[in-house]
Amino acid sequence: DAGVIQSPRHEVTEMGQEVTLRCKPISGHNSLFWYRQTMMRGLELLIYFNNNVPIDDSGMPEDRFSAKMPNASFSTLKIQPSEPRDSAVYFCASSFGGNSNQPQHFGDGTRLSIL
Amino acid sequence: GENVEQHPSTLSVQEGDSAVIKCTYSDSASNYFPWYKQELGKRPQLIIDIRSNVGEKKDQRIAVTLNKTAKHFSLHITETQPEDSAVYFCAASMRGGADGLTFGKGTHLIIQP
Repeated sequence: DAGVIQSPRHEVTEMGQEVTLRCKPISGHNSLFWYRQTMMRGLELLIYFNNNVPIDDSGMPEDRFSAKMPNASFSTLKIQPSEPRDSAVYFCASSFGGNSNQPQHFGDGTRLSIL
Repeated sequence: GENVEQHPSTLSVQEGDSAVIKCTYSDSASNYFPWYKQELGKRPQLIIDIRSNVGEKKDQRIAVTLNKTAKHFSLHITETQPEDSAVYFCAASMRGGADGLTFGKGTHLIIQP
């Protein structure tokens, strides 16, 4: 079975540019999560969706960050304009919620470097 | 919000010995506690999880214990092997896998040959 698919795997861009990260959750999963990992702050939840609806975006650092989930098989995380402090590994994860509450499975991440 | 503390930050053990990693959480409403293993440059992978209605869970060489009263949970790895070397993260949430996870800062486990 295909796992969570993220693209691109690596992104290097200059400060001020728009960055779009993409995620395809595991088929049948109805919850999707965006996390950011840095040495200083560890793994942090940015935002998550249940059934394509944003539930909690309190982890989104500031208005430069936005996330969408237009359908059950696709989500984007956008940074505009990007800054050097946004450099991190961004992970997408998905799970099947509801009564069974299955665990979250992570994608391979996008390593983002802002110069 | 939830706060998860994890100790130690680095743990070095001899191959074949046991390793124990401990976590505490702050929100008594949390009811789901997964553990993830992350190798260098790779994604976090779930190794075991426990829910608040259970005190202990085992899977071969790995076990997790939960003390709801004290709000702490621990990961136990027995008969450690070189491939156990990695960073281990504990986490907590309130609605199982459907809720955002709050992670500890991680433990770098080093298995000495």
